[in-house]
Amino acid sequence: NAGVTQTPKFQVLKTGQSMTLQCAQDMNHNSMYWYRQDPGMGLRLIYYSASEGTTDKGEVPNGYNVSRLNKREFSLRLESAAPSQTSVYFCASSEWGQGIAKNIQYFGAGTRLSVL
Amino acid sequence: ELKVEQNPLFLSMQEGKNYTIYCNYSTTSDRLYWYRQDPGKSLESLFVLLSNGAVKQEGRLMASLDTKARLSTLHITAAVHDLSATYFCAVDKGGNQFYFGTGTSLTVIP
Repeated sequence: NAGVTQTPKFQVLKTGQSMTLQCAQDMNHNSMYWYRQDPGMGLRLIYYSASEGTTDKGEVPNGYNVSRLNKREFSLRLESAAPSQTSVYFCASSEWGQGIAKNIQYFGAGTRLSVL
Repeated sequence: ELKVEQNPLFLSMQEGKNYTIYCNYSTTSDRLYWYRQDPGKSLESLFVLLSNGAVKQEGRLMASLDTKARLSTLHITAAVHDLSATYFCAVDKGGNQFYFGTGTSLTVIP
């Protein structure tokens, strides 16, 4: 049981390049999330998906797009990377929406992205 | 916009001592979470607090929630080195909109 798997673990991009961060969970969770973590700012929600086929903006969605490909997979795309997008990106999933009162999130190992 | 503030941001404490981390949030929320993050690692859930007056304990950590004051505390009793980590509180608004605090970096020194 792998939990939440993110790829890649590290990536270096040049300004203007595009890339997709992949996330998959094997816990049959309805909800999935993408966060970025910057020093001194905690985690900030970029996008979330409450169920397959739906996505919603979080606190900092500008410059990103997401796709909920199926129940297991939720990808994050940077169309034209900027240095301000240098960060650590975390994917998470939870059982929210499945009759569970607690929305405990399970996090992936993170992707460390540098945009030069 | 919901804001979550933690203090202190950095905490260095001696083994065996007690201390409390504070988490304030700006608007009403249904749930309050505490997570732990080890350096270079992912986040791991510690506690979920669902109602006013809720208290949860696990080992040397105890979390409590006062929804009227919009305040949660994470109390550390008789700290040991293994508790060195960054601790985050978070609240959710409407289920999936999560807001995290800035984190408290705890270092326990011998």
